[in-house]
Amino acid sequence: GESVGLHLPTLSVQEGDNSIINCAYSNSASDYFIWYKQESGKGPQFIIDIRSNMDKRQGQRVTVLLNKTVKHLSLQIAATQPGDSAVYFCAETLNTGGFKTIFGAGTRLFVKA
Amino acid sequence: NAGVTQTPKFQVLKTGQSMTLQCAQDMNHNSMYWYRQDPGMGLRLIYYSASEGTTDKGEVPNGYNVSRLNKREFSLRLESAAPSQTSVYFCASSEAGRDGYTFGSGTRLTVV
Repeated sequence: GESVGLHLPTLSVQEGDNSIINCAYSNSASDYFIWYKQESGKGPQFIIDIRSNMDKRQGQRVTVLLNKTVKHLSLQIAATQPGDSAVYFCAETLNTGGFKTIFGAGTRLFVKA
Repeated sequence: NAGVTQTPKFQVLKTGQSMTLQCAQDMNHNSMYWYRQDPGMGLRLIYYSASEGTTDKGEVPNGYNVSRLNKREFSLRLESAAPSQTSVYFCASSEAGRDGYTFGSGTRLTVV
């Protein structure tokens, strides 16, 4: 069935290190992907997106990589900071006549000072 | 620019009580959504409104109703609350459903 999953439910990194959060998606028809950040007690916040005609997209300290061959999405955070501690989850969107978005369960990132 | 505003932020209901969660967006977005978020289960779509005047069921619509009052407002109603509806509820909006969502800050609902 359709699903968006994460390989690691929790990730702990040292401040200043790079973080990599992974996501697997199962629907090859998905053509738009987003990473969201959710801090405790807040709503999810858009971080970065990528469309299926791209393999890589960079933002400020964040990079999203898309591998359509193995249906894998990753979020790389450079020089991770304490403020990056949050739950990160990916979402995929596909056109099923209307647009359907499926959210993953999330990975909790802990940044150790 | 407030984005997506949800009220209330917290609510405790007794089983069988009813209530309406309010949501308003000021970004002139066409599409609006209601999700619930439970531990370990991610966001699950309850209802959505692709455009003003339309509403459709999502993944978990049972026990809920919605109203797209106008382009800005999309409310979620629990007619007879049950403990299984204890959750955090998020409202979201997007330009056309084909782009990123803007989420509200959530309503934490407890049904006892």
